[in-house]
Amino acid sequence: GAGVSQSPSNKVTEKGKDVELRCDPISGHTALYWYRQRLGQGLEFLIYFQGNSAPDKSGLPSDRFSAERTGESVSTLTIQRTQQEDSAVYLCASSLGRMATEAFFGQGTRLTVV
Amino acid sequence: GQQLNQSPQSMFIQEGEDVSMNCTSSSIFNTWLWYKQEPGEGPVLLIALYKAGELTSNGRLTAQFGITRKDSFLNISASIPSDVGIYFCAGPFSGANSKLTFGKGITLSVRP
Repeated sequence: GAGVSQSPSNKVTEKGKDVELRCDPISGHTALYWYRQRLGQGLEFLIYFQGNSAPDKSGLPSDRFSAERTGESVSTLTIQRTQQEDSAVYLCASSLGRMATEAFFGQGTRLTVV
Repeated sequence: GQQLNQSPQSMFIQEGEDVSMNCTSSSIFNTWLWYKQEPGEGPVLLIALYKAGELTSNGRLTAQFGITRKDSFLNISASIPSDVGIYFCAGPFSGANSKLTFGKGITLSVRP
């Protein structure tokens, strides 16, 4: 497809389990972003990848959260030992350059921790 | 930290009415963005504002970048049912264009 693709669209997991969320950016986009959206809230920045530069991890809420990106392609966001407060929609976005203002968002993964 | 304030949380209008939404901050922003999010989808950029005082239109949407750089508003004229959704304002963190901070959003309902 032409847009940012995220999978799965929905994920229900038990508290304490690890989860992996996947993002396929728009082809050719060098920048990739992860955001978290809790119910009734705005988006919170988590992490930013730009090409082969070291990622900006300043938004990750705890060391249970990590993300990887291979080159300028797929990214995975991993949450270890999930907690109920991790329940949220996780949104990925990508942009051609380093301007987040020009990013396109995927449809998100809705994570529910029970 | 930098926060964007949007209120009220919800707005209910009649089809055909105009509606105005405001976004304020205690910090200066050099760029203001307005997004719309529909259920099950990611936010879609509606309008981007880059200069204080700038007034920009996109169809029935008009947005302005406040001259103090601490506020912006979005107007929707002649609302239609498909305008329903959550409207977010956003701007770059402390001038770092690689990450955005978002308001909590305003949920707009349009009665036919």
